[in-house]
Amino acid sequence: GNSVTQMEGPVTLSEEAFLTINCTYTATGYPSLFWYVQYPGEGLQLLLKATKADDKGSNKGFEATYRKETTSFHLEKGSVQVSDSAVYFCALSRNTGNQFYFGTGTSLTVIP
Amino acid sequence: KAGVTQTPRYLIKTRGQQVTLSCSPISGHRSVSWYQQTPGQGLQFLFEYFSETQRNKGNFPGRFSGRQFSNSRSEMNVSTLELGDSALYLCASSLRTDANYGYTFGSGTRLTVV
Repeated sequence: GNSVTQMEGPVTLSEEAFLTINCTYTATGYPSLFWYVQYPGEGLQLLLKATKADDKGSNKGFEATYRKETTSFHLEKGSVQVSDSAVYFCALSRNTGNQFYFGTGTSLTVIP
Repeated sequence: KAGVTQTPRYLIKTRGQQVTLSCSPISGHRSVSWYQQTPGQGLQFLFEYFSETQRNKGNFPGRFSGRQFSNSRSEMNVSTLELGDSALYLCASSLRTDANYGYTFGSGTRLTVV
């Protein structure tokens, strides 16, 4: 089946610290991989995506590389800001699919 | 341009009642998907509509239903509400019925069943 496992939270970091949120997946075929972010009281916003192996998605200083050999799509940012405090969701969709399979979400709090 | 609009934002219903939630997609978007978000189960796919046809359905009981109108607006209905139906219900729209193409999510409707 299709599923996503991401690291448990909550994660608390100081401003300018390095961020890694781990995400691994199980999928039939060749999925596309996504990171979504949810700010308090809001819906999900697409942060970045990668559609094939070795692709790197990047946006707003965040990066994630599609690693087929380790079935992973870890999210990284070199220097977090207070404004990055949110819940981050890793997700996959199958190549011909129209639905997402989401991880459980990782809450990030960045303190000044 | 306007985003995905969900109404109402908050709703309180009594167990056994039914409820209808509304979603207006981005103009021109013909695909609308619905997700349920709960602390215990996370985000789970309910169903997806494209051009008024249900294309895909998640693993939810028949109490959960939906429809899409000719203007792409969508509604979902939950009958015989249970306490466990308390959740944030998110709607997402896209130009195509393809997750890779990109979906835009609304801010959700927070349903509380008492």
